[in-house]
Amino acid sequence: GAVVSQHPSWVICKSGTSVKIECRSLDFQATTMFWYRQFPKQSLMLMATSNEGSKATYEQGVEKDKFLINHASLTLSTLTVTSAHPEDSSFYICSANSGGSTDTQYFGPGTRLTVL
Amino acid sequence: QKEVEQNSGPLSVPEGAIASLNCTYSDRGSQSFFWYRQYSGKSPELIMSIYSNGDKEDGRFTAQLNKASQYVSLLIRDSQPSDSATYLCAVNPQAGTALIFGKGTTLSVSS
Repeated sequence: GAVVSQHPSWVICKSGTSVKIECRSLDFQATTMFWYRQFPKQSLMLMATSNEGSKATYEQGVEKDKFLINHASLTLSTLTVTSAHPEDSSFYICSANSGGSTDTQYFGPGTRLTVL
Repeated sequence: QKEVEQNSGPLSVPEGAIASLNCTYSDRGSQSFFWYRQYSGKSPELIMSIYSNGDKEDGRFTAQLNKASQYVSLLIRDSQPSDSATYLCAVNPQAGTALIFGKGTTLSVSS
């Protein structure tokens, strides 16, 4: 089946540093990937849509200069949280679109970010 | 505004019973429908997809779709404590776009 990986699975960093999270589709090519954020006991919140070879589309209220997204290949998208602050601590999850007639989205295992 | 509505629950059922989860959606043109399961602290896991009216069965899970009523449901037969999780209904309004998720229904299966 379709597998999506994320790295790292968890990260702890100091306030003001930048953190890069990788999302890879392991056995399929994903023209489109999505980045979500989820706070404890809350719903998934879509942050941005990442398209291979083009600029990401950000949801309203998501700062594109703070959350840098790069989708350099059909199997890799990265999210960089720049100048992280404690309020950025959250569970970041990517998903990749399988495309085709089923157009199913498969989620990565998530990255738990803690900013001290 | 395209929306997906779910009862937040919690839905509590005894072990071995049938759990019935329901979802309605607002975009009549939607073509793809999904159920994801999310355990606490984990990412969502796809358990069922359905694209045409009627029932689709996979093991203990049955998804039902009624496009005329804009209604999707998930039945879990012989519920197990390990089924206790939040179930997310998701609708794809257009190929290649982000799914629209409901807020999820929390299911609790007691042994």
